[in-house]
This record gives sequence, C-alpha cells and structure tokens, in this order.
Amino acid sequence: GENVEQHPSTLSVQEGDSAVIKCTYSDSASNYFPWYKQELGKRPQLIIDIRSNVGEKKDQRIAVTLNKTAKHFSLHITETQPEDSAVYFCAAILSGNTGKLIFGQGTTLQVKP
Amino acid sequence: DVKVTQSSRYLVKRTGEKVFLECVQDMDHENMFWYRQDPGLGLRLIYFSYDVKMKEKGDIPEGYSVSREKKERFSLILESASTNQTSMYLCASSFGTAFVQYFGPGTRLTVT
Repeated sequence: GENVEQHPSTLSVQEGDSAVIKCTYSDSASNYFPWYKQELGKRPQLIIDIRSNVGEKKDQRIAVTLNKTAKHFSLHITETQPEDSAVYFCAAILSGNTGKLIFGQGTTLQVKP
Repeated sequence: DVKVTQSSRYLVKRTGEKVFLECVQDMDHENMFWYRQDPGLGLRLIYFSYDVKMKEKGDIPEGYSVSREKKERFSLILESASTNQTSMYLCASSFGTAFVQYFGPGTRLTVT
C-alpha cells in the first residue's frame, strides 16, 4: 500500500535555531500534504498544508516545501521557541478523492531554552 | 470552531471485554475516521466512514468494527479486547471533499 516516510524520528535544537523535518511519499498522484502538531497530552492540530500546484508556502515562522518530482516535502521552522516542542506529523492525501490521509511516523521536536 | 469529542479520555478494560469508543462531531462533517496512535508508528487508520451507514476498512481493521447510525456519531467497537489493542485512539472528521481533518482529544485505552 501507499506510505509516507518521515525523518528524523527525534530532533533536538537550541532555542533560536532552525528545525527541518522531511517526508517522502509513494503515491505519485497525491496532491495535498498537511502537517500536524501534537503537543503533549493534546490532540493533533493542523499547522500548515500545501497543495501540489505550489512549491512552497509560508506562515510566519513555519514553511513547507514540496518537490513533486522527487516525491518529498519538508517542514521548516525558523527561530524555534520552547513552545514549538511537540510531535509533528506529516501526511499525504491518498489519491482517488477518498479524503484519506496517510501519516508519517512522527518527529519529536525538543527545543532547548 | 469545529468540535470533535470522544466519550472517554482514559479507559481500562479486561481482556475479552467488548469495548465501545464513541466520537461525536458538531460540524455536519460527512467524513469520520478512527486512528490508532502508537509511538514510532504514527497515526494508523483503522476505519473510516464517508456517510451514514457507510464504512470502509483502513490499514489495520483486524479486531475492530465500527458503526455510524447518525451523521454526527462514529463508534469504534472492539469485539473482544486484547492486550495488543492497548493504545491511544483518535477520532477525526472532515467536510466532504475538503481534506483538513479535525481531531478529537483521544482515548487512552489500556487492556489488562
């Protein structure tokens, strides 16, 4: 079946540094790629998403880039803050308009003050 | 704001018990999903439903069944709970052809 690989599984950075999380997907017809943030003890929440007709999208300190040819996309967080510490999940929509998302394994980001 | 609620935050059941997990959304979403979350495995889809009384298997449906009698409610059923079903269970919903999924707070199920 289709899958999404996410790396790294854990990431530790100093406050103020940048963090990058990478994902690759297998469904070449996938056209929607969201990123979810899950703080400890809380539900996953959408932080940014990108559709296949654009290569990059930014929202303040976070950005997502998409390379459709290589079938990979990345989350970039600049000027990290302790409140960015969380588990981040990437996902790709399964083609066929099913509304199904295939999630990556998750990355635990720790931002050290 | 979209509100997705789950019947319990924590649940402890014994092996062999029948377990019901309920999810309710208040935004008239057509699509509802049940995921299982385990460390290092991400979110794995158990079942989903795109309409009342409609259901489709996800990636790990074995040992689970679902019920959707009303649009706002999607139930996950463990017919005979086993210890390997100890996990965090997350419900989500989305609107029609929109892809954004909204999650409930999760139910941490422990089977002893």
